[in-house]
Amino acid sequence: NAGVTQTPKFQVLKTGQSMTLQCAQDMNHEYMSWYRQDPGMGLRLIHYSVGAGITDQGEVPNGYNVSRSTTEDFPLRLLSAAPSQTSVYFCASSYGGVGTKNIQYFGAGTRLSVL
Amino acid sequence: GESVGLHLPTLSVQEGDNSIINCAYSNSASDYFIWYKQESGKGPQFIIDIRSNMDKRQGQRVTVLLNKTVKHLSLQIAATQPGDSAVYFCAEKGGSYIPTFGRGTSLIVHP
Repeated sequence: NAGVTQTPKFQVLKTGQSMTLQCAQDMNHEYMSWYRQDPGMGLRLIHYSVGAGITDQGEVPNGYNVSRSTTEDFPLRLLSAAPSQTSVYFCASSYGGVGTKNIQYFGAGTRLSVL
Repeated sequence: GESVGLHLPTLSVQEGDNSIINCAYSNSASDYFIWYKQESGKGPQFIIDIRSNMDKRQGQRVTVLLNKTVKHLSLQIAATQPGDSAVYFCAEKGGSYIPTFGRGTSLIVHP
């Protein structure tokens, strides 16, 4: 089991460029989420999905787009990168439901710099 | 809105001491709580959880206490080791699909 795999690990973009952060999980989890983590800050929820074909906005969705065509994959798209999107991005997955099914498994993160 | 907060952003302890990391929550409907540990350069990892029908749960060197009266959660780490240095997050699960995370506490263990 690889768990949650994020690619790339590092990325540098110029303002205005677009890119896709990849996230894949092999645990057959229904729920997947994207977070951003800024220095001294906690994890802020960008978008999440409770199953293939279903996505919803989190706390900070502006400037990001997601889709969930399969259970395994949940890519995050930056439409037009801005310096304010410089951050570390984490993808997480869980079974979803009650109790321990809410325990999320996180990827190693993608460190993004926008110049 | 409802939120989860932490009292101490940074906690410094000596190796061998016991550590206590606190978390206040405001959603009285939350019925499940999770503690995560995030080491430098890595994603958060699950440490321990507790359901709202419990007030204490013990793991290996870690104990979580839940006080629903004052909406307070704490993580106790016994005999803290340098490898415990990390950021610790609490998360609460209420009516939303995804648990809500607190800001985190940085634990620094001095040898």
